[in-house]
Amino acid sequence: NAGVTQTPKFRVLKTGQSMTLLCAQDMNHEYMYWYRQDPGMGLRLIHYSVGEGTTAKGEVPDGYNVSRLKKQNFLLGLESAAPSQTSVYFCASSYRVRAGGFNEQFFGPGTRLTVL
Amino acid sequence: SQQGEEDPQALSIQEGENATMNCSYKTSINNLQWYRQNSGRGLVHLILIRSNEREKHSGRLRVTLDTSKKSSSLLITASRAADTASYFCATDASVDYGQNFVFGPGTRLSVLP
Repeated sequence: NAGVTQTPKFRVLKTGQSMTLLCAQDMNHEYMYWYRQDPGMGLRLIHYSVGEGTTAKGEVPDGYNVSRLKKQNFLLGLESAAPSQTSVYFCASSYRVRAGGFNEQFFGPGTRLTVL
Repeated sequence: SQQGEEDPQALSIQEGENATMNCSYKTSINNLQWYRQNSGRGLVHLILIRSNEREKHSGRLRVTLDTSKKSSSLLITASRAADTASYFCATDASVDYGQNFVFGPGTRLSVLP
């Protein structure tokens, strides 16, 4: 049981390049999330998904796209990377929201992205 | 502004002492969760407290929730060097992008040996 995995762990891009970050979970969770974390700050939600084939924008979606073609995978794409996208990216997953509110989120180890 | 905000931003204590971190939030909640993040790692869930609960324990962790004051506290007793990490509270909130789960900026805890 691997939990939540992210690839790659590190990446350096030049401005204007594109890349895709892959998140995979083996817990059969309905919900998946992409966050970015900048130095000294909490997590900011980029996009999220409440099920296969559905995605929604979070707090900071500009410059990113996502896809959830399979329940276990959630992809984050940067079409034209900018230095402002230098950050650590975390993927998380959880069971769907129930009557008691949001459930515990399980996090991946993160991807450290630098855009030059 | 953040739904949840931790206080203090940074805390430094000696091993064996207790550490208390506070979280304030703005709107009504269903539950409040605390997470720990070791340097360079992903967040790990510590404890969830529901809006109808006032106190919850897990090992050396004690969480309280006061919905009238819209605040929560995390107490770590008999701290160890391994407790050095950032601690975040998170709550559900109705924000511009829908009903979602929002993290505060965190408290950086340093436990000195």
